[in-house]
Amino acid sequence: DAGVIQSPRHEVTEMGQEVTLRCKPISGHDYLFWYRQTMMRGLELLIYFNNNVPIDDSGMPEDRFSAKMPNASFSTLKIQPSEPRDSAVYFCASSLALLVGTDEQFFGPGTRLTVL
Amino acid sequence: AQSVTQLGSHVSVSEGALVLLRCNYSSSVPPYLFWYVQYPNQGLQLLLKYTTGATLVKGINGFEAEFKKSETSFHLTKPSAHMSDAAEYFCAVTEAAGNKLTFGGGTRVLVKP
Repeated sequence: DAGVIQSPRHEVTEMGQEVTLRCKPISGHDYLFWYRQTMMRGLELLIYFNNNVPIDDSGMPEDRFSAKMPNASFSTLKIQPSEPRDSAVYFCASSLALLVGTDEQFFGPGTRLTVL
Repeated sequence: AQSVTQLGSHVSVSEGALVLLRCNYSSSVPPYLFWYVQYPNQGLQLLLKYTTGATLVKGINGFEAEFKKSETSFHLTKPSAHMSDAAEYFCAVTEAAGNKLTFGGGTRVLVKP
């Protein structure tokens, strides 16, 4: 398996524009997670899905952020409109939770977002 | 609610010296504990994890960690640092009721020749 795939790897956009980040989890994994990493706030969980259903979106910072998982092999994180403070590295991760809470999360390489 | 504290955001060690990274957690239920490593411009990779059983856990690249319930700690060690160990290390906790990881702030390790 190729691992978790994220695209694009880098995104530079202007304030006010819509940004869509994409993730393909490892085939067969039940859980998908979106994280944001910044110097100031560290690594934060934004939202996670189980079997394509959002389970916990309490980490989504505001209504400008939305995430979808239309099928088991694809998820998007959208920011509309984007703001400079959204600049961060966004990671997608997936896991196969045979025993809930114990399984390793596999991380993608991240998308570095810069909002000018 | 669960939380993780990593003491020291930066650690500098000489090549060949002991690496010790500290992690303390709080959890209302028996925790599952993890250490992840992040190399520059890459995603996180699992080093090791504690779920149940033996409290001394061995991971990849010569790292190990010991779960001490009485101290609510899960410190990471490696007897002899290598230049390739230069990276950022994250301690994380999850509770049995869910798969949601809470990460510490990370510790960046610099290895000096």
